[in-house]
Amino acid sequence: AQSVAQPEDQVNVAEGNPLTVKCTYSVSGNPYLFWYVQYPNRGLQFLLKYITGDNLVKGSYGFEAEFNKSQTSFHLKKPSALVSDSALYFCAVRDIMTGANNLFFGTGTRLTVIP
Amino acid sequence: KAGVTQTPRYLIKTRGQQVTLSCSPISGHRSVSWYQQTPGQGLQFLFEYFSETQRNKGNFPGRFSGRQFSNSRSEMNVSTLELGDSALYLCASGQGDLNTEAFFGQGTRLTVV
Repeated sequence: AQSVAQPEDQVNVAEGNPLTVKCTYSVSGNPYLFWYVQYPNRGLQFLLKYITGDNLVKGSYGFEAEFNKSQTSFHLKKPSALVSDSALYFCAVRDIMTGANNLFFGTGTRLTVIP
Repeated sequence: KAGVTQTPRYLIKTRGQQVTLSCSPISGHRSVSWYQQTPGQGLQFLFEYFSETQRNKGNFPGRFSGRQFSNSRSEMNVSTLELGDSALYLCASGQGDLNTEAFFGQGTRLTVV
């Protein structure tokens, strides 16, 4: 079965500091991994994905993620946090066993960037 | 290119009623998926439609149903509403293959009273 875990409910970081939001996964077969962000009363916005290729994936708004197969992790990172990055972040894995758009989401991590 | 459009944005219904939510995907996308988001259960997959056929279904009771039209627009229906159905319902649009990402609408906030 496919699943992802986000071990931290809340992450606080000072503006200008680097940020990391953690995600680990469990899949059968090759992982198809995604990061989404949700602002209050909004839907999910796609940030980046790992399908295959380079382990460091670059995405929108200066975010990047590092795929680590040995640690089964896909942590989201940004070199310098902005106050506007404060939001709810979701890691997701695609359920390739049953279909294309079926995503399993983590429980989410609330990021707060402190001015 | 227009994004994913969900209507209505907000709904208040009474227990026992039924409700229909609508989703218009991005032009050219043939896959539409529905998710339920609640504080307690998080984001849960309801079902996916591709070219008017239900391709996958999550673990929800039969009160939850959906359909997709020839123009790829999709509707989901919840019958005999329960208080626990109160949630944000999100629609995701995609090309339907493994390698491409899904794009989400802003959601419909359903409140059952």
